[in-house]
Amino acid sequence: EAQVTQNPRYLITVTGKKLTVTCSQNMNHEYMSWYRQDPGLGLRQIYYSMNVEVTDKGDVPEGYKVSRKEKRNFPLILESPSPNQTSLYFCASSQGLAGTQYFGPGTRLTVL
Amino acid sequence: AQKITQTQPGMFVQEKEAVTLDCTYDTSDQSYGLFWYKQPSSGEMIFLIYQGSYDEQNATEGRYSLNFQKARKSANLVISASQLGDSAMYFCAMREFMYSGGGADGLTFGKGTHLIIQP
Repeated sequence: EAQVTQNPRYLITVTGKKLTVTCSQNMNHEYMSWYRQDPGLGLRQIYYSMNVEVTDKGDVPEGYKVSRKEKRNFPLILESPSPNQTSLYFCASSQGLAGTQYFGPGTRLTVL
Repeated sequence: AQKITQTQPGMFVQEKEAVTLDCTYDTSDQSYGLFWYKQPSSGEMIFLIYQGSYDEQNATEGRYSLNFQKARKSANLVISASQLGDSAMYFCAMREFMYSGGGADGLTFGKGTHLIIQP
């Protein structure tokens, strides 16, 4: 089944404790992206990747890092999480820039 | 200026009625795509329908259709014969296809419309 997977689905952590949210897709898509969703602000792009080893900042990159060492994986790294990074995070992938983006199930992160 | 505007924060509709969810967009690009996503209370984002800026026909996918009026920059979603399972948040999104590099290059979302279908 074609899908985007994210892990963990739910995470509660404390300020400053480094964490990684994994994202993997099995559709051989070149383009992958991370979004965060916050009430009243909608979905905003954090980082995206056009292909392996090619990443770029989105609208709200501060406090996040990404890497794209393999085509299927695009992990999101929070080196020192803060409470304002409490949010619902989505990974998405598409076949190139013009393709439809398919979303993972979301990761609900709470930073205390 | 907002690139995607959804003017209906919430809507109540009787089951089996048709629903129109409004979306207007703003872009100076000639090449772009418009998308609708559904987000049920469980949280996942489900792709519904796509319309390309050069598509002459309005897109349709089962009970979903997109009323695309390019001159008005509107891309309204029409759901025919609504069902209780259609209750969800609906997001309109746009993607501009001219890769500019060095900046946000994904989907731009509207704030969403919360649709509630009543029996």
